[in-house]
Amino acid sequence: DTGVSQDPRHKITKRGQNVTFRCDPISEHNRLYWYRQTLGQGPEFLTYFQNEAQLEKSRLLSDRFSAERPKGSFSTLEIQRTEQGDSAMYLCATSNTGGRGRGTGELFFGEGSRLTVL
Amino acid sequence: EDQVTQSPEALRLQEGESSSLNCSYTVSGLRGLFWYRQDPGKGPEFLFTLYSAGEEKEKERLKATLTKKESFLHITAPKPEDSATYLCAVVMTTDSWGKLQFGAGTQVVVTP
Repeated sequence: DTGVSQDPRHKITKRGQNVTFRCDPISEHNRLYWYRQTLGQGPEFLTYFQNEAQLEKSRLLSDRFSAERPKGSFSTLEIQRTEQGDSAMYLCATSNTGGRGRGTGELFFGEGSRLTVL
Repeated sequence: EDQVTQSPEALRLQEGESSSLNCSYTVSGLRGLFWYRQDPGKGPEFLFTLYSAGEEKEKERLKATLTKKESFLHITAPKPEDSATYLCAVVMTTDSWGKLQFGAGTQVVVTP
């Protein structure tokens, strides 16, 4: 399978614990995005990388959240001291800027990592 | 405040019963409007990008149109496999291409 891969698919944790999610992108894609989706809502942008550089972070990304993309390949999203409000689906998406003047907005999403904080 | 609003929230259709979904947006400058399909427990799947008013895109039974304030996704003669949540998203001129602002979606159920 050459799509975007996320791990784990489901994570149940107790409040106060740390969790880490991993995203493996489509190999030729240089941009990687993290989104969060709660039940009944559309995804919300959290942060994105171009290669290994983190270019933007949303206000939604509190100090407890950190994302990395070492060597511009896979990415990790860590949540420290989880709270019940962190329960959501965390989606990773990738794209290729392609060098074209006009983008398409076509993001390739993984199947997500569902977090439940008890 | 920039907003993306989708209606209706849910739509139940009989197989073959055509209908339209609405996405209205209020953003300071539109770079592009996108439609995605999301199946339960899965990530969104790209359908269309529309860049300017008057533009139309088609794919099988789906057709997306764009005006200066809203977009419609027309579903013609739907089949049960068209059941999904359809998400509309915009990118503003001040943002990069991948920074999508999504609406809450319209959940479509097509019964045989």
